[in-house]
Amino acid sequence: KNQVEQSPQSLIILEGKNCTLQCNYTVSPFSNLRWYKQDTGRGPVSLTIMTFSENTKSNGRYTATLDADTKQSSLHITASQLSDSASYICVVSGEGNEKLTFGTGTRLTIIP
Amino acid sequence: DGGITQSPKYLFRKEGQNVTLSCEQNLNHDAMYWYRQDPGQGLRLIYYSQIVNDFQKGDIAEGYSVSREKKESFPLTVTSAQKNPTAFYLCASSTPRTSGGTLWTDTQYFGPGTRLTVL
Repeated sequence: KNQVEQSPQSLIILEGKNCTLQCNYTVSPFSNLRWYKQDTGRGPVSLTIMTFSENTKSNGRYTATLDADTKQSSLHITASQLSDSASYICVVSGEGNEKLTFGTGTRLTIIP
Repeated sequence: DGGITQSPKYLFRKEGQNVTLSCEQNLNHDAMYWYRQDPGQGLRLIYYSQIVNDFQKGDIAEGYSVSREKKESFPLTVTSAQKNPTAFYLCASSTPRTSGGTLWTDTQYFGPGTRLTVL
């Protein structure tokens, strides 16, 4: 069964600090992995997308890494801001598969 | 502005009633999707449509129905057969594309969501 597991479930950090969110998946065959940011009560917004041949991708202060051998991905947030408070969702797509497998998300709270 | 819209933002339903959630996109995307989001769970696929006049059941289609008469629109009806409809509903759209001979789904763009509450 295809699964995506994220950790931690929730995280609280001080403004200006860095943090790393983890994503492990069992989707096979693998096509691509996406990280989405979802503000409370809003729809998810794409941050990064990586295929099996990419092992790192950045989007401003967000840097995603992918290890297709161990089936792990991480999202690193640098110099956190209050606006980074949101849920971060890891989403994996199988090759040739329209359907996506969603993780349950990590709830990140940035405190001043 | 290009984008995907959902209405209403909040919806209240009495038990036994059918309600329809609207989803419209002007991104010229072929594929559209409906998801349900519950606290502590990942998004779950209800229905999806890859082309006009065609749609497929997702993982939790029971108690829901859809139509795809126009490329821009993909309304979802929550019927009285859905026993636990209170949830946050998200619509998404995307354009499937081929890369290296493999068909895969481009990034899905999500609408702002509709929160449905059963009274």
